[in-house]
Amino acid sequence: AQKVTQAQTEISVVEKEDVTLDCVYETRDTTYYLFWYKQPPSGELVFLIRRNSFDEQNEISGRYSWNFQKSTSSFNFTITASQVVDSAVYFCALSDSSGGSYIPTFGRGTSLIVHP
Amino acid sequence: EAQVTQNPRYLITVTGKKLTVTCSQNMNHEYMSWYRQDPGLGLRQIYYSMNVEVTDKGDVPEGYKVSRKEKRNFPLILESPSPNQTSLYFCASSMTSGRSEQYFGPGTRLTVT
Repeated sequence: AQKVTQAQTEISVVEKEDVTLDCVYETRDTTYYLFWYKQPPSGELVFLIRRNSFDEQNEISGRYSWNFQKSTSSFNFTITASQVVDSAVYFCALSDSSGGSYIPTFGRGTSLIVHP
Repeated sequence: EAQVTQNPRYLITVTGKKLTVTCSQNMNHEYMSWYRQDPGLGLRQIYYSMNVEVTDKGDVPEGYKVSRKEKRNFPLILESPSPNQTSLYFCASSMTSGRSEQYFGPGTRLTVT
């Protein structure tokens, strides 16, 4: 079985604050994939990042960074110097082969509100 | 432009009236799937397809049907819609199953009265 937990339902920050969105996952597989997606108020779902279980190197893309730690089964997402345009629902997803095929399971999402 | 299209974008219907939501992708992706999004529940997978003529149930398949006769199309069929199927629906595709990132359609907001 696989499970993704995004314990933070909603986070509210003021512009320019740093914010971290938590993602904790459960899997028995040694090979798996982790993803983050963004859903802005307009409603579309946008892919942000993909990580496989063999690559624990942290990733930075502009103001976005991701911290993958297998020891704590976490794949956290940090936004540095947040902006109003970062307001969105963010989903973490896990894909492993527990069912025989790699099928993604999504967390329930974290709603980030950035106030001006 | 690489994209996943869904139609219609909005639909209001009555209980029991069969409907189809179309989904099409132009990226030659093998894997396609349908999700529903409900407040507080995130994205839950309805059905997925690994390739043409290969479909399988996701987490919440009851009340839905799908078909994959062509690689690019993956319609979602509600034979007898009920109010508990009122939701926001997303179609998605990816190159190879869950190992690749998914590209999502714009969503279909369905209301069943």
